Order: sequence, then C-alpha cells, then structure tokens
Amino acid sequence: SQTIHQWPATLVQPVGSPLSLECTVEGTSNPNLYWYRQAAGRGLQLLFYSVGIGQISSEVPQNLSASRPQDRQFILSSKKLLLSDSGFYLCAWTWGLAGYQQYFGPGTRLTVT
Amino acid sequence: GENVEQHPSTLSVQEGDSAVIKCTYSDSASNYFPWYKQELGKRPQLIIDIRSNVGEKKDQRIAVTLNKTAKHFSLHITETQPEDSAVYFCAMGGGGNKLTFGTGTQLKVEL
Repeated sequence: SQTIHQWPATLVQPVGSPLSLECTVEGTSNPNLYWYRQAAGRGLQLLFYSVGIGQISSEVPQNLSASRPQDRQFILSSKKLLLSDSGFYLCAWTWGLAGYQQYFGPGTRLTVT
Repeated sequence: GENVEQHPSTLSVQEGDSAVIKCTYSDSASNYFPWYKQELGKRPQLIIDIRSNVGEKKDQRIAVTLNKTAKHFSLHITETQPEDSAVYFCAMGGGGNKLTFGTGTQLKVEL
C-alpha cells in the first residue's frame, strides 16, 4: 500500500532563516505531488504541484520554491522566512488510476517567530 | 477562474440529527467532486467522492449528491455522532491535475 511521509512534524524558525521541508511517497511510482499551506483556522492553499521529476507548477508567487529531485520526493524551500509563512504545510499525492483522489501526508506545523 | 463556494461556514446540530453541507461551482468542465474531513490538528482525510456521471453515492451514514445542471453538490451526514465533529472541505477537479477546495465547514455535533 501507499504511504506518504513528511518531516519534520513541527518546526520553529526565526524570521529570515531558511526552510526545507521534505515529502516522500512509498508504494507507487510517478505520482503527482502537491504542496499545500493551511493558515490557522483557514482553508487549503495550493502552493506547488509536480507531475514528474524536475517539473514544478507554481500556484502562488511568494518567497517559497519547490523541487522534485526524485520520482517520489518533493521538497519545499525558502531562503528567508516571513512571519506570514507560519502555518500547517501538507504534502499530497495522487496517481493515474486513482484519478483525482488526493491523499495527504501528516503535515508539518511551522511557526515563524 | 476555477472557484467553489461552500456553505455554511459553521454548522451546529444535535446528536442524531442530519447535517447537510453544500458547494457550488462555475466550471462546467469539472468532473470530480471529493469531500474531506479534517479533525483538529490532523491531515484532511478523503471520506467520499463522486464523478460527474453519477448523481448520488452513499457510504453508510454519509452520502454525496451532484446536480450538474445547477452546478452544485452536497454532503449529507445522517444520524450524526460526536465523532463527526470536524471541518469538512469540498473540492472539485476538472483537468490540470489539481483540485480546487472550498473554504470549509466547521461541523459541531452537540450532545
């Protein structure tokens, strides 16, 4: 069966520091991968998605970037964090036969201080 | 652009009553409509979904109905229980390898 991992689970970072969040999927190949952000008490904001290695689509222009160095690995990065970057970061995956069914990872709770 | 409106934003029901959450969309190309449940501090979980060639789908106490002509779909929860308390998100997909999510409904089931 397929499993999606995210780490770290929680993170506290000062303003202006860099960020690297990692997401990996097991048990499938060539998944579509997604990064979402959820501010406290708010909805799901799609940040990036990828349909293959090296292919990144950006949904919201901001100080974040994403990379997909391997088929089942998706990384979210920032060179300098802002206070507004605080939130719950969720990675999700979907695969051809599942159609649009997206499954979320456990998330990373980021607090920028 | 793609947009989905979700109502109500909060819903309080008595245990055992039914709950209905409705979403409306504008993109005629939308053909996939999932619902997610998110408990406090946890990830959203896919609870039920429907495709545009089906009008209704049931899974025990939950059901989703789709009206393509009116461009709306609804989540129905019958015999609500305290563990149904959560935030529910509707979403739609119609191409482009991504989903558009509603703004969420906070459901509270009171004893």
